[in-house]
Amino acid sequence: QKEVEQNSGPLSVPEGAIASLNCTYSDRGSQSFFWYRQYSGKSPELIMFIYSNGDKEDGRFTAQLNKASQYVSLLIRDSQPSDSATYLCAVNGASGTYKYIFGTGTRLKVLA
Amino acid sequence: GAVVSQHPSWVICKSGTSVKIECRSLDFQATTMFWYRQFPKQSLMLMATSNEGSKATYEQGVEKDKFLINHASLTLSTLTVTSAHPEDSSFYICSAERGGANTGELFFGEGSRLTVL
Repeated sequence: QKEVEQNSGPLSVPEGAIASLNCTYSDRGSQSFFWYRQYSGKSPELIMFIYSNGDKEDGRFTAQLNKASQYVSLLIRDSQPSDSATYLCAVNGASGTYKYIFGTGTRLKVLA
Repeated sequence: GAVVSQHPSWVICKSGTSVKIECRSLDFQATTMFWYRQFPKQSLMLMATSNEGSKATYEQGVEKDKFLINHASLTLSTLTVTSAHPEDSSFYICSAERGGANTGELFFGEGSRLTVL
């Protein structure tokens, strides 16, 4: 089982819709969770991080964490074509280690 | 936000030569830097963790003699790909965590695309 799993996609949504990106992780000891956006040929850039169970909102983005289910998600409201990118889920602090584990990423396509 | 600069952004070299990639934190001190490689349409694969003033910690399967890492100061880590071969062609990305910030946020360099002929 992969440590951090994401559906590779592509996930296609129409402009203005809500895009829902999901991520599961295997280590219950994981401490912090990050969503990065990566455009083709570019480095990842941080969208959001979340440490506690529940929702965290920042503009059009909402991160949701459920540690019991070992599940973290990212919702993008009012999706724009410029949101089209690969979204990487990253998990840190698993089992006392200070190591970031990245998922394979979900490719999002927002259709104009 | 914090800035991490990586150089060169792309490099083409002949098989058998060595290539050095620099990663600099421009406006903060980075006690820990990470080196990743990324193949097309795949995720970031952690190669090693670079700690200022000590030896790097390599991930399983990464040859430490081939990928030399030096973190000589709080703002600079270098990755040297020695005796490069075509299979080493990849996108290499460094990242740094701001010392003392304790947020866990990684700041990424722009990446270096290596092509070995």
